[in-house]
Amino acid sequence: ETGVTQTPRHLVMGMTNKKSLKCEQHLGHNAMYWYKQSAKKPLELMFVYSLEERVENNSVPSRFSPECPNSSHLFLHLHTLQPEDSALYLCASSQEDNSGNTIYFGEGSWLTVV
Amino acid sequence: AQTVTQSQPEMSVQEAETVTLSCTYDTSESDYYLFWYKQPPSRQMILVIRQEAYKQQNATENRFSVNFQKAAKSFSLKISDSQLGDAAMYFCAYRTPNRDDKIIFGKGTRLHILP
Repeated sequence: ETGVTQTPRHLVMGMTNKKSLKCEQHLGHNAMYWYKQSAKKPLELMFVYSLEERVENNSVPSRFSPECPNSSHLFLHLHTLQPEDSALYLCASSQEDNSGNTIYFGEGSWLTVV
Repeated sequence: AQTVTQSQPEMSVQEAETVTLSCTYDTSESDYYLFWYKQPPSRQMILVIRQEAYKQQNATENRFSVNFQKAAKSFSLKISDSQLGDAAMYFCAYRTPNRDDKIIFGKGTRLHILP
């Protein structure tokens, strides 16, 4: 069983839909991340939340909207997406205490925009 | 700027043989951490091994070991007695202890295991 769980694992949505990806970490970590992984592209960091505060937003389009209600949960709200947004979205968490701690990943959510 | 380079996009190895995946990085920091992650077809990124830069001893985890050359800024992963389940994408990663610094990933090496 993974310490970071993501739902749904697969999502197909139309360009006018609104959907959300959910991530939950059971590791007691204080930081959570969203990454995007597209075919033939490097892993892209989208958002970082540390102690429930957004500390990183890598020029991600506003059609992606993150939400971190507490240190264990992270959402990625999706609306009016484009076909090029189809990708694997990976959630991750870590304990940030200036010790270079390991980042642990969930199993990913496959998103297809039609 | 810190960078991580994996120069081998793809590699193949015969089952039960040994293979080494290369990784180099660029940094001006003296204190940092290096990682190898494995991403099998299931696509979950799994930590394989971690190395603290202040440790001279190379990290090992069962059949996985690293050759950490700090002066050369090289961090290669050796997989011994390769198994079919080792087939995956392998990512090298770097980070500093600073909580404000992001972890930096290489572009990955796809490893094929030949039966």
